[in-house]
Amino acid sequence: SQWGEENLQALSIQEGEDVTMNCSYKTYTTVVQWYRQKSGKGPAQLILIRSNEREKRSGRLRATLDTSSQSSSLSITGTLATDTAVYFCATDNYAQGLTFGLGTRVSVFP
Amino acid sequence: SVLLYQKPNRDICQSGTSLKIQCVADSQVVSMFWYQQFQEQSLMLMATANEGSEATYESGFTKDKFPISRPNLTFSTLTVNNARPGDSSIYFCSSSLTRDGEVFFGKGTRLTVV
Repeated sequence: SQWGEENLQALSIQEGEDVTMNCSYKTYTTVVQWYRQKSGKGPAQLILIRSNEREKRSGRLRATLDTSSQSSSLSITGTLATDTAVYFCATDNYAQGLTFGLGTRVSVFP
Repeated sequence: SVLLYQKPNRDICQSGTSLKIQCVADSQVVSMFWYQQFQEQSLMLMATANEGSEATYESGFTKDKFPISRPNLTFSTLTVNNARPGDSSIYFCSSSLTRDGEVFFGKGTRLTVV
């Protein structure tokens, strides 16, 4: 598998709290992407971070990439109930499709 | 952006039958990808489909079981042959406009094989 065992997890937090989820990958990649999948929907891309970037922000989202440890993280600040979803990281195999991590289920309670 | 329309949204079929899933893009795209997602699990890349060429299948997926057609730059079909209960999952088509760019997914087709 491309992904480490630590990807699979479920987090329950209260609205307003911050949350960080991590993933690690085993083989070289030029891009790490983070997706959110809400119940009954397809994945929606949140952030794409390239190998020459250490950090990328988009609104309340912050992604980091450490190519030396082959790991990435996604943080959400000030969570809302609408952030409840499963979050996946994925590597892009030179535009030959995505390899998804196991995902993190985040439940945000009001 | 690319909008991908999948049809049907969901279907129930009998074991041993075949089901065809269509994916239509609202603009021309070079590559289309098909993914399988079992309940409460991650997405697994099944195959890559480029116009006018045979689809490239990932390990565990075969042309005989999941034939894919890509007759033009906006359309692809995935067929599930000899469907079994173990094929019950959600199938997504996906594409992007540029390499390493934003990736878009259809809403998925939920298949139940009984």
